[in-house]
Amino acid sequence: EDQVTQSPEALRLQEGESSSLNCSYTVSGLRGLFWYRQDPGKGPEFLFTLYSAGEEKEKERLKATLTKKESFLHITAPKPEDSATYLCAVQAASGGSYIPTFGRGTSLIVHP
Amino acid sequence: NAGVTQTPKFQVLKTGQSMTLQCAQDMNHNSMYWYRQDPGMGLRLIYYSASEGTTDKGEVPNGYNVSRLNKREFSLRLESAAPSQTSVYFCASRKRDTGELFFGEGSRLTVL
Repeated sequence: EDQVTQSPEALRLQEGESSSLNCSYTVSGLRGLFWYRQDPGKGPEFLFTLYSAGEEKEKERLKATLTKKESFLHITAPKPEDSATYLCAVQAASGGSYIPTFGRGTSLIVHP
Repeated sequence: NAGVTQTPKFQVLKTGQSMTLQCAQDMNHNSMYWYRQDPGMGLRLIYYSASEGTTDKGEVPNGYNVSRLNKREFSLRLESAAPSQTSVYFCASRKRDTGELFFGEGSRLTVL
């Protein structure tokens, strides 16, 4: 059974204080690891896809990395507008269908 | 440029009542998904449809039925609502080449 565990559940940072969110996973036949951002009252929005160990993607203050067992979302010098819940998902292939499995998310609050 | 549209956005039901959540996407995606999101539980897959004419159960299908009406539309039906089905429901469609999911804004359902 595919499993995705995110830590910490919640994180409070001061503006400018860099940190990392963790996503550890077990999946057979990984077909991508995804990071999404979710603002209160909204649906998740796509940030990154990583496909193989060693891969890295960057967008503004966010950088996602991938190993064979986990992914990190590094947030450099965060701003209050980075406050959101960050969701990690793994996608496996199952009988020709692609089934995304989500972690429970990390709620990030950045204080000015 | 609507993306994924869900209706209704809010609904209050009494135990035993039935209702259908509607979802439509205009991106010509083959795969569509219904998730529920509960506090501390993350996104859990209810049903998915890999293509028009096919549907399959996800992690938490009990108490729900789905219909893939055509390529654009994927509806979720609660035949006899229970308080345990109080949740926020998200519909999503999947972009084939990247695996990225596009989510609707969510339907907030309360069952009294």
